[in-house]
Amino acid sequence: DAGITQSPRYKITETGRQVTLMCHQTWSHSYMFWYRQDLGHGLRLIYYSAAADITDKGEVPDGYVVSRSKTENFPLTLESATRSQTSVYFCASGGTGVTYNEQFFGPGTRLTVL
Amino acid sequence: AQSVTQLDSQVPVFEEAPVELRCNYSSSVSVYLFWYVQYPNQGLQLLLKYLSGSTLVKGINGFEAEFNKSQTSFHLRKPSVHISDTAEYFCAVRDFGNEKLTFGTGTRLTIIP
Repeated sequence: DAGITQSPRYKITETGRQVTLMCHQTWSHSYMFWYRQDLGHGLRLIYYSAAADITDKGEVPDGYVVSRSKTENFPLTLESATRSQTSVYFCASGGTGVTYNEQFFGPGTRLTVL
Repeated sequence: AQSVTQLDSQVPVFEEAPVELRCNYSSSVSVYLFWYVQYPNQGLQLLLKYLSGSTLVKGINGFEAEFNKSQTSFHLRKPSVHISDTAEYFCAVRDFGNEKLTFGTGTRLTIIP
């Protein structure tokens, strides 16, 4: 299906474990973004990518790693999960042409770190 | 650095009444402005955006917003709300030449039957 998808939708893990959240978009958008949503903070940017193999830090990058080997995929890895990383994670993409100024969001992944 | 302030964390409104959700921003450069809506357990969906031109912007579901440069505001309005408008609303700003969005903390709109 066309659009932007995230997997898994729900994840429970333990402190210290490595977790990877997947994001896939079918629009060939050049830009992709990872946000976390926490009560009282709105959405905060973790990392973003302008194109394959180009990534940059956002507002809250500590404890996270990203890669982008293909335009359509932008996985987010928590190398050693901590309780403070319990959150809802949203992936977004933004393109060129008429959609240049808009970001399209995935459905989110709810992550709980015990 | 840019920032976005949504002073009202929760707004209860009776069905069919008008509503205004407030958004103020700060930035040292020209900006693009956005309102997103998040329905329960869903991702964010674009309601409307201001890029340039007319300061009154119309969006989906009967919402509109007005860009006021002198007051650095971008308030969202709807003349008559419905139960289906119950959601969280986020204001966001993006500087010219910068791909990153900065979001406000959100306003939860609750419609009272």
